[in-house]
Amino acid sequence: GAVVSQHPSRVICKSGTSVKIECRSLDFQATTMFWYRQFPKKSLMLMATSNEGSKATYEQGVEKDKFLINHASLTLSTLTVTSAHPEDSSFYICSARGYRVTDTQYFGPGTRLTVL
Amino acid sequence: SQQGEEDPQALSIQEGENATMNCSYKTSINNLQWYRQNSGRGLVHLILIRSNEREKHSGRLRVTLDTSKKSSSLLITASRAADTASYFCATDAQGGSEKLVFGKGTKLTVNP
Repeated sequence: GAVVSQHPSRVICKSGTSVKIECRSLDFQATTMFWYRQFPKKSLMLMATSNEGSKATYEQGVEKDKFLINHASLTLSTLTVTSAHPEDSSFYICSARGYRVTDTQYFGPGTRLTVL
Repeated sequence: SQQGEEDPQALSIQEGENATMNCSYKTSINNLQWYRQNSGRGLVHLILIRSNEREKHSGRLRVTLDTSKKSSSLLITASRAADTASYFCATDAQGGSEKLVFGKGTKLTVNP
């Protein structure tokens, strides 16, 4: 399957700082990327859908000013957690798919964020 | 919400045995997918079954779909210790929605 990378894989930061997570599709052009959040021993919850060159669509209850998403190219989307707090600590996973809505979503390895 | 519900939540078996996991969902779908997640890692796509398909095989994996009951099952035959992981089903809503809604997952432990 296609390869999606995330960077960093793990980040620890102080409360109040901002953290940027990158999601890259390495061997295909990703028209759409998705950002998920996963709490320990829980399922994935979709946070937002980002399409290249346009504003992200956020799910209900997700603060767009808190979680800034940029999808500037067909291979890169970034999620910035602004003014992070301990409750933002979580596992963040991105996925990417190609041009067709029916294409398989390929997932990145995830980023573990810990806010002290 | 059409969130899938996996059943059982946890399953522990011996190597060589078969493992069956079930998933139920609430609304009509275009397709249903199964993913595997090793602890602290990303998701690996296993298999996709479309709403007009009833059964699909991939290696040691067998997936069934019953749209009348809004349920799917994932069977892993001749399990191995390396199959130890959490397994999630994910559905997309009929009507062209590209969003995936994930179930709660089944944590499978295969003991050597």
